[in-house]
Amino acid sequence: ETGVTQTPRHLVMGMTNKKSLKCEQHLGHNAMYWYKQSAKKPLELMFVYNFKEQTENNSVPSRFSPECPNSSHLFLHLHTLQPEDSALYLCASSPLGGPSYNEQFFGPGTRLTVL
Amino acid sequence: GENVEQHPSTLSVQEGDSAVIKCTYSDSASNYFPWYKQELGKRPQLIIDIRSNVGEKKDQRIAVTLNKTAKHFSLHITETQPEDSAVYFCAASTSGGSNYKLTFGKGTLLTVNP
Repeated sequence: ETGVTQTPRHLVMGMTNKKSLKCEQHLGHNAMYWYKQSAKKPLELMFVYNFKEQTENNSVPSRFSPECPNSSHLFLHLHTLQPEDSALYLCASSPLGGPSYNEQFFGPGTRLTVL
Repeated sequence: GENVEQHPSTLSVQEGDSAVIKCTYSDSASNYFPWYKQELGKRPQLIIDIRSNVGEKKDQRIAVTLNKTAKHFSLHITETQPEDSAVYFCAASTSGGSNYKLTFGKGTLLTVNP
């Protein structure tokens, strides 16, 4: 499969559940990102990873825990979420060098509903 | 940090007309300005971008202009078609060392009426 993939595409969870979102990129990029997209709000950057190292945490609550085992995979572990965390969670990747640096390519997203 | 303002929030045009979406940014160090198109239920897709060393870039019916002095950039779509209907996001990128991040505008819902 090519591009950026995300699983699951839809997730419904209770506030006491623990779940994980997965992102995989097949583009040879070295940077990966998590974004939150809520209705009527701009895309909000959550985390940035460069070469597996976290370089940005945009004041995200600790109930969201990212993990980047290698440059191709990114996870977002979720626990004790709130209903206001319901949103579309988008993963993206980009190269860190070359003429196309910072061109970010998005995955299809995971539509999360917290009951 | 960077702040990106995007206008208008909604835009309705007749097929064949032109559409213009404008964005302003606050950080004079920003040097990369992409535009994304997001159709309903789909992922944002990069449609065109511009870097600070050029003032205008064109790709068929789409063009982007950049005015670094005024800190604004615009998306121009000519000969609009119904399939251009989508939400369009502008973004500005600041880079510090090896850390690149995009700050997005709130989006413009473009509707092209047949």
